[in-house]
Amino acid sequence: DAGVIQSPRHEVTEMGQEVTLRCKPISGHDYLFWYRQTMMRGLELLIYFNNNVPIDDSGMPEDRFSAKMPNASFSTLKIQPSEPRDSAVYFCASSLNRDGTQYFGPGTRLLVL
Amino acid sequence: AQSVTQLDSQVPVFEEAPVELRCNYSSSVSVYLFWYVQYPNQGLQLLLKYLSGSTLVKGINGFEAEFNKSQTSFHLRKPSVHISDTAEYFCAALQGGSEKLVFGKGTKLTVNP
Repeated sequence: DAGVIQSPRHEVTEMGQEVTLRCKPISGHDYLFWYRQTMMRGLELLIYFNNNVPIDDSGMPEDRFSAKMPNASFSTLKIQPSEPRDSAVYFCASSLNRDGTQYFGPGTRLLVL
Repeated sequence: AQSVTQLDSQVPVFEEAPVELRCNYSSSVSVYLFWYVQYPNQGLQLLLKYLSGSTLVKGINGFEAEFNKSQTSFHLRKPSVHISDTAEYFCAALQGGSEKLVFGKGTKLTVNP
């Protein structure tokens, strides 16, 4: 299996622009997680899905952030409009079950100027 | 109060020396405990996990950890480190009754020649 796939790997954009991050989980995994990692705040869980349904979005910072999972093999995290403080590495992870074993993608490094 | 506490933010050691990375957890999380490793510019990957049973858990790359309920600790150890072990190590716990992982702030291990 190719593992969790994220695209793009790097994104540079200007403040106010829309940013869309993409994730393909490992086939057969029922859970999908979106995380954000910064030096200041560490690793934060933004939202997670079970069987394509959002279960907990309490970590989404504000209404500018939205996430969807239209099918079992694809998820997006959208930021509209983007701000410089959104600059971070965004990780997607998937899991087969509830035991905490998560498989992380390589991340998308986002820089908002 | 932080649910998972990593006591050292940075640990420098020499190659072939033993190392211990410390982690304590609070009662607000379950005792499903994990160590993840993040190599530079990569996503996190699972090193080892404790779900139940033997309190000494062995993981990949020669790492092991011991679950100590009375001290609410789950310290990570390796008897002899290599340059290639240089990475950031995250202790994590499943939030009680949830699929959410609670991560510590991370410990940067630097192995010097």
